[in-house]
Amino acid sequence: QQQVKQSPQSLIVQKGGISIINCAYENTAFDYFPWYQQFPGKGPALLIAIRPDVSEKKEGRFTISFNKSAKQFSLHIMDSQPGDSATYFCAASMRAAGNKLTFGGGTRVLVKP
Amino acid sequence: DAGITQSPRHKVTETGTPVTLRCHQTENHRYMYWYRQDPGHGLRLIHYSYGVKDTDKGEVSDGYSVSRSKTEDFLLTLESATSSQTSVYFCAISEGPGSAQHFGDGTRLSIL
Repeated sequence: QQQVKQSPQSLIVQKGGISIINCAYENTAFDYFPWYQQFPGKGPALLIAIRPDVSEKKEGRFTISFNKSAKQFSLHIMDSQPGDSATYFCAASMRAAGNKLTFGGGTRVLVKP
Repeated sequence: DAGITQSPRHKVTETGTPVTLRCHQTENHRYMYWYRQDPGHGLRLIHYSYGVKDTDKGEVSDGYSVSRSKTEDFLLTLESATSSQTSVYFCAISEGPGSAQHFGDGTRLSIL
């Protein structure tokens, strides 16, 4: 049972464009929603995270939008750069359950120069 | 980078052999986690620890055991490795509920 569904599986965007990755979750008890960035041969690195009492959070070129009623959240990468080419994972967890992360399947992003 | 070291980084072994992976942290974080990463599945939790000698199962715990005898070390053991356990294994650490998890660089395990 996949509790966090992520789309698309892959994405190609031109340099300077906007990358958008979407995630949907089922468990309404989730209360922490991080996004991770992973480069080949490396572990996932925390990019940005949001809690359900906030509808949007921005850090530099990265923005999370959160829709609690629709049980959906998304990552927007503005002004995409070739260095942003990586695999991105959304995840969700519950503080009351040991903060165990449930991950989406990942999105491979390629930014063309 | 968070002070997390996973060892070995790569290992090839045969079906039926025991395998132990080690995660060592220098951050003194209370929580430690083991995940496996497979194409199309993202990362899935195997086991986690919320303190010395305190562990619990994750989503895909069958065939795995863990031990944590001191804060800095979390061991993952495959008692009798099977080909389905070929994967990349990641360790993560966290200060506690509500805190971010930080990951090591993984162990690539191949079971032939």
